Amino acid sequence: GAGVSQSPSNKVTEKGKDVELRCDPISGHTALYWYRQSLGQGLEFLIYFQGNSAPDKSGLPSDRFSAERTGGSVSTLTIQRTQQEDSAVYLCASSLLTANTEAFFGQGTRLTVV
Amino acid sequence: AQKITQTQPGMFVQEKEAVTLDCTYDTSDQSYGLFWYKQPSSGEMIFLIYQGSYDEQNATEGRYSLNFQKARKSANLVISASQLGDSAMYFCAMREISGGYNKLIFGAGTRLAVHP
Repeated sequence: GAGVSQSPSNKVTEKGKDVELRCDPISGHTALYWYRQSLGQGLEFLIYFQGNSAPDKSGLPSDRFSAERTGGSVSTLTIQRTQQEDSAVYLCASSLLTANTEAFFGQGTRLTVV
Repeated sequence: AQKITQTQPGMFVQEKEAVTLDCTYDTSDQSYGLFWYKQPSSGEMIFLIYQGSYDEQNATEGRYSLNFQKARKSANLVISASQLGDSAMYFCAMREISGGYNKLIFGAGTRLAVHP
């Protein structure tokens, strides 16, 4: 596709349920990032995939959060036993591995936990 | 430790005036990149401008320029001739290059309001 695609665009879930958020990066982009953005706030780094290396998971807020990237392309962010404080917009971005290239963002998934 | 600091939660500017949005960063790497993004109320993230740590000249892209002061570790964004459409959140970001991972870290952002 032409850009980074995220699905679903909106997700409402009940507290305690598991959710999966999907990110389709730009073809050929080997770096993939997940961020969380609460209303009116900045981008909180969650996890970073760089080529075939082990991901940098240092931003995941708890062990309820996990992510994988299959075949170096599509990534799924999973939140288990969702809590109300997980409500936020989850943004995915991808880039080439060269350091001076910008990251391109998807439109985000707005997660609401009720 | 906070890597990117944007000290101005909110700024306003009159249309057609210039405005500077502040960004300071903290790194021990010699090689790094600095980015600015704009996020309008629609929520999309729009890349504006990039500055590499070894670039000798300040980056410019149309009405955007980056005032890069390496010794002070600052990378301020200057928007000239502000337009109403410039009203948005602006984020400064840094990618450290020499480490094993070169993830992109963002500051807290500055909300800019352009008044007619």
